[in-house]
Amino acid sequence: DQQVKQNSPSLSVQEGRISILNCDYTNSMFDYFLWYKKYPAEGPTFLISISSIKDKNEDGRFTVFLNKSAKHLSLHIVPSQPGDSAVYFCAASVGAGSYQLTFGKGTKLSVIP
Amino acid sequence: DTAVSQTPKYLVTQMGNDKSIKCEQNLGHDTMYWYKQDSKKFLKIMFSYNNKELIINETVPNRFSPKSPDKAHLNLHINSLELGDSAVYFCASSYLPANNEQFFGPGTRLTVL
Repeated sequence: DQQVKQNSPSLSVQEGRISILNCDYTNSMFDYFLWYKKYPAEGPTFLISISSIKDKNEDGRFTVFLNKSAKHLSLHIVPSQPGDSAVYFCAASVGAGSYQLTFGKGTKLSVIP
Repeated sequence: DTAVSQTPKYLVTQMGNDKSIKCEQNLGHDTMYWYKQDSKKFLKIMFSYNNKELIINETVPNRFSPKSPDKAHLNLHINSLELGDSAVYFCASSYLPANNEQFFGPGTRLTVL
C-alpha cells in the first residue's frame, strides 16, 4: 500500500535546464511534506519541506510546489547542476510534529554536463 | 565529525545467525530511528526512540530488538537472521519533531546468505 508514490524511477536533464521531480500521495491526512536527497553509499539528507498551509516553498535553486486538491507535489531544481545527480525521495507526515515519515521509492536524477 | 554514524557499514552473515548494528549521533538530538530500505527501494520506519523510550514500533518481526542505552545511541539487534532481512538499514536522529528534519547515517548493508 504505497501512500507516497514517485512514479518516475529516473530522470535525465541537461545541465542548466530545469529538473522537475513529481510525487503523489493518497493519504489525505498528510499535511507536511519533505524532499530528501541521497548520494550513493550515503544516507538521505534533508533538502526542503512544505506545510499544507502553503502551496510553494523556495530555497535557492530548489522550489517545492504543493497541489492539495490533486494530492500532488513537485520539486523544481533550476538551474540543474551535475552535483544534483542523486536519488530524490519524497516523504510525508501527518502533522509537522509527527515522528513518522512515509517515504516514496525515490527518483534517480542524472544531470548531464 | 560524523553527525550520525553506523557500524558496521557492511555485514555479510549466514541465515540463523544473530547480529547487531550500532548507531551513534553527536548532534544532541533526543529522538532516534531505524529505517529499512529493501530491494524495492522503499525506506520504511521500523522503530523510533525518544529520550530512550520506544515511541514507534512498526510491524516488525520480534526478532528485531532495538536498544537505546542513552540518548546518543540506538542499536539494532537481529536474532535468527533470514534471507528476507537482507537490506540497507539506516539510522537517523532528530530534535523534537517540530520540523521533521531527520539526519541519517550512511547505512549498513546487511546480506544474509
